[in-house]
Amino acid sequence: NAGVTQTPKFQVLKTGQSMTLQCAQDMNHNSMYWYRQDPGMGLRLIYYSASEGTTDKGEVPNGYNVSRLNKREFSLRLESAAPSQTSVYFCASSEISRSGEQFFGPGTRLTVL
Amino acid sequence: TQLLEQSPQFLSIQEGENLTVYCNSSSVFSSLQWYRQEPGEGPVLLVTVVTGGEVKKLKRLTFQFGDARKDSSLHITAAQPGDTGLYLCAREFSGGYNKLIFGAGTRLAVHP
Repeated sequence: NAGVTQTPKFQVLKTGQSMTLQCAQDMNHNSMYWYRQDPGMGLRLIYYSASEGTTDKGEVPNGYNVSRLNKREFSLRLESAAPSQTSVYFCASSEISRSGEQFFGPGTRLTVL
Repeated sequence: TQLLEQSPQFLSIQEGENLTVYCNSSSVFSSLQWYRQEPGEGPVLLVTVVTGGEVKKLKRLTFQFGDARKDSSLHITAAQPGDTGLYLCAREFSGGYNKLIFGAGTRLAVHP
């Protein structure tokens, strides 16, 4: 039981390059999320998917796109990377419940030069 | 505003000391979660508090939810080096679907 997995773990891009961050969960959760974490700012929600087939914007969606490929997988795409997108990206999944617990992956550390 | 403010930002203490970290908001929230994040890993849920005035204990960690549901605290008794990490509080965005807004966190270092 792997929980939430993310690939790659590290990535360096040049400004203007594109890439896709992959996320998969094996807990049969309906909801999945992408966050970015910057020093001194906590985690900020980029996009979320409440259920398979739906996606919606979070707090900081500009410059990103997402795809909910199936119930297990939720990918985040940077079409034209910018230095401001240098960050650590976390994928999470959950069931909708009063406790609201989210299960996080180990993160992808992205540097855009 | 739905912002969560955490204090202190950094805390460096010796093993065996007690400490309290705080999470405050200007608006009422229905529930609050506390996560701990270790270097190179994602956050892991410690506890969820849902009732004003609620106190929950997890071994040496005591979590309190304010009566007015605008603030929460985490108290650690006799801190150990294994408690080192980033402590984050989080509340749900309006609109449901368990979307979370996080505070900036308190970075705790416990020295042997």
